Amino acid sequence: KAGVTQTPRYLIKTRGQQVTLSCSPISGHRSVSWYQQTPGQGLQFLFEYFSETQRNKGNFPGRFSGRQFSNSRSEMNVSTLELGDSALYLCASSFEKGDMNTEAFFGQGTRLTVV
Amino acid sequence: AQSVTQPDIHITVSEGASLELRCNYSYGATPYLFWYVQSPGQGLQLLLKYFSGDTLVQGIKGFEAEFKRSQSSFNLRKPSVHWSDAAEYFCAVGPALGTYKYIFGTGTRLKVLA
Repeated sequence: KAGVTQTPRYLIKTRGQQVTLSCSPISGHRSVSWYQQTPGQGLQFLFEYFSETQRNKGNFPGRFSGRQFSNSRSEMNVSTLELGDSALYLCASSFEKGDMNTEAFFGQGTRLTVV
Repeated sequence: AQSVTQPDIHITVSEGASLELRCNYSYGATPYLFWYVQSPGQGLQLLLKYFSGDTLVQGIKGFEAEFKRSQSSFNLRKPSVHWSDAAEYFCAVGPALGTYKYIFGTGTRLKVLA
């Protein structure tokens, strides 16, 4: 079974540009969540999608947005990039079994560098 | 406030020695608890999880963790460390249902001496 796939693996963007990152969850997983990882702030929750609906959102500015498609694939977008947006962006997918959560499986991440 | 504390930022052990990584949490509801490992430049790999039941849980790569409700702790252990265990280890807590918003600790970087 293929794992969580994130593309691209590496990106270099210029301040002020926008960027779109993609995440393909494990087959059968309908929940996708996104995290930002930086040396200073650690792992921080960005947002979460389930069945194409945003279910939860972290404390990030509106420049960070996302969406989920009917096949559960998800994208996140960052507009007007700032130097501080340089980070490893991790996507995780989960299988929801009835009312109870299960574990989240993470992808390899997309390393975004803003120059 | 909900939080996860990993008090040790760096730990160095010799190959073959035992290992214990500490994790304490503050969480209003009954949490799900996880340990993930991250190699440089890579994503997070799940080592083990605790949902309910037996408080001693076994994971992959010979790791185990013990949930102690009275101490709000979920420490990770391995009886004999291998050089390939060198990585960063993250403890995380999450809710039992409704959302996968995890709270992560700051991580413990493990160095293994040959």
